[in-house]
Amino acid sequence: GAGVSQSPSNKVTEKGKDVELRCDPISGHTALYWYRQRLGQGLEFLIYFQGNSAPDKSGLPSDRFSAERTGESVSTLTIQRTQQEDSAVYLCASKLSFRTGTEAFFGQGTRLTVV
Amino acid sequence: GQQVMQIPQYQHVQEGEDFTTYCNSSTTLSNIQWYKQRPGGHPVFLIQLVKSGEVKKQKRLTFQFGEAKKNSSLHITATQTTDVGTYFCAGRDNYGQNFVFGPGTRLSVLP
Repeated sequence: GAGVSQSPSNKVTEKGKDVELRCDPISGHTALYWYRQRLGQGLEFLIYFQGNSAPDKSGLPSDRFSAERTGESVSTLTIQRTQQEDSAVYLCASKLSFRTGTEAFFGQGTRLTVV
Repeated sequence: GQQVMQIPQYQHVQEGEDFTTYCNSSTTLSNIQWYKQRPGGHPVFLIQLVKSGEVKKQKRLTFQFGEAKKNSSLHITATQTTDVGTYFCAGRDNYGQNFVFGPGTRLSVLP
């Protein structure tokens, strides 16, 4: 596609339910990042995928969070047993490669509200 | 691990005043990038700096990369209301693979 696509754009869920967020990166981009942005705050790194290498999961805040990526395409971020503090905008970004100094292209984000 | 810091966290200026945000990394960076996020939007790439001491200009915006490649600054001359948003720096160090963002500087411009 022309840009990074995220779905859904908005998600309201009840506390304790599981949610799955999707990111379609730009075709050919091998690097994919997930960030969390709470209201009025900065970008909190969650997880990073680069090609077929093992992902960098160092930013995941708890074991309720997990993410997968199939090859160099779609990625899904799953939050199990959601809590109110999980409410935030979840941003996905892709880059051509982590090795080259290329820019990151962001999706519009998924706004998650846990009630 | 690599940490990237930015100051100030917030800046309120009168339209026409200048604005500067500073970015500091705990490790030497291979390159640094700057992004702007408008209210309600997503971060959008502004520029990349690669060389030690590099200076780049985009109209009223001037970007600098420090000699030691551990710090950077963004200066806006004569701010306009369209400059409102949060400015993030981001970089990757020479050893890691992760792309780390600073916490951002939120700029408000009063007309």
